[in-house]
Amino acid sequence: DSGVTQTPKHLITATGQRVTLRCSPRSGDLSVYWYQQSLDQGLQFLIQYYNGEERAKGNILERFSAQQFPDLHSELNLSSLELGDSALYFCASSVDGTGREKLFFGSGTQLSVL
Amino acid sequence: AQKITQTQPGMFVQEKEAVTLDCTYDTSDPSYGLFWYKQPSSGEMIFLIYQGSYDQQNATEGRYSLNFQKARKSANLVISASQLGDSAMYFCAMRETNRDDKIIFGKGTRLHILP
Repeated sequence: DSGVTQTPKHLITATGQRVTLRCSPRSGDLSVYWYQQSLDQGLQFLIQYYNGEERAKGNILERFSAQQFPDLHSELNLSSLELGDSALYFCASSVDGTGREKLFFGSGTQLSVL
Repeated sequence: AQKITQTQPGMFVQEKEAVTLDCTYDTSDPSYGLFWYKQPSSGEMIFLIYQGSYDQQNATEGRYSLNFQKARKSANLVISASQLGDSAMYFCAMRETNRDDKIIFGKGTRLHILP
């Protein structure tokens, strides 16, 4: 168990809908990362937060948004969902998001858009 | 341009043999870190090994070692005495510490260990 909690584990929804994925980092970790894993694109970095502030942005669509709350949990909001958004979404955390720290990954949220 | 390249989409290796998974990277940042992660069929991402760009020695963690060739921008993972449980997807990743600290992953190599 990595200590990173992601909910829900599975999510099935329809095109055009909006969903929220939730992530609780390991105790003491200030930095949260979101990744999207699809079969053809591999693991794509979406966004990183550190202590509530956005630190780095990757290939995140405008339909997607995220935030990190004062208690350090993070939410990834996906709206106007398309079939191509079906993927495994990972959250990961590290102590401060710099240097040598490895990322601890949650078990992911499998999103299926029908 | 791809920052992390893993040229082997899949590999088949006999149990107990050593296996090398290739990874090349592209960066102009002198300070960076390289990671390897394992993803078994259950889906979780498991950290294996880390190498910093200024580390003098190649990193080792148990049966895992990283063959770091800085001039060639290569960071190959070596698994000694492979086991059936090593069958998984393996990802190489890089963090450029003087940029924005995001960690970029390669597309992965699927390793199959044969009994």
